[in-house]
Amino acid sequence: EAGVTQFPSHSVIEKGQTVTLRCDPISGHDNLYWYRRVMGKEIKFLLHFVKESKQDESGMPNNRFLAERTGGTYSTLKVQPAELEDSGVYFCASSQVLGTGGYNEQFFGPGTRLTVL
Amino acid sequence: AQSVTQLGSHVSVSEGALVLLRCNYSSSVPPYLFWYVQYPNQGLQLLLKYTSAATLVKGINGFEAEFKKSETSFHLTKPSAHMSDAAEYFCAVSEAGRRALTFGSGTRLQVQP
Repeated sequence: EAGVTQFPSHSVIEKGQTVTLRCDPISGHDNLYWYRRVMGKEIKFLLHFVKESKQDESGMPNNRFLAERTGGTYSTLKVQPAELEDSGVYFCASSQVLGTGGYNEQFFGPGTRLTVL
Repeated sequence: AQSVTQLGSHVSVSEGALVLLRCNYSSSVPPYLFWYVQYPNQGLQLLLKYTSAATLVKGINGFEAEFKKSETSFHLTKPSAHMSDAAEYFCAVSEAGRRALTFGSGTRLQVQP
């Protein structure tokens, strides 16, 4: 079974440009999460989709970030326009659905390393 | 808000020595607790998880962790380090009903020959 995949693995862009990151979750996983790790700091939650709906976007830093998950399959995270402080590693994770209060193991992708110059 | 503290951003041990990576959490309700490992150029891999069953949790690759509610701790241990254990380790917590994970800042483990 294929794991969570992310594309690209690395992206180097100039400040002010636009970048789109893609995540393909494990097939059948309704939950999809985006996280970010800025260099030297902890991994921080950005948002959570259940199928195509945004369940929790409390971690999105500002309106330069737009996440979509059309059709409830893959997801994209667009940064427009990119700023220097957006540099970091962006992780995607997916999990199955359980009942309320249950926990599902989150499977992580390898991450996309974004460098904004 | 929840927080996770990992004491020591870098830990170095000799091959064969005990590995102890510390994790303390703050949560007002019994949480779910996790340890993830990231090997170079790879994604995060789940080592083990505590989900309110046994307080001593065994994971992959000989690692285990003990949930101590009185100390709000979930330290990760391995009796004998192997060179292949060199990686970055992350402690994480989530509360029941909320799916997002809150991570610690990570501990990079070095294993010396």
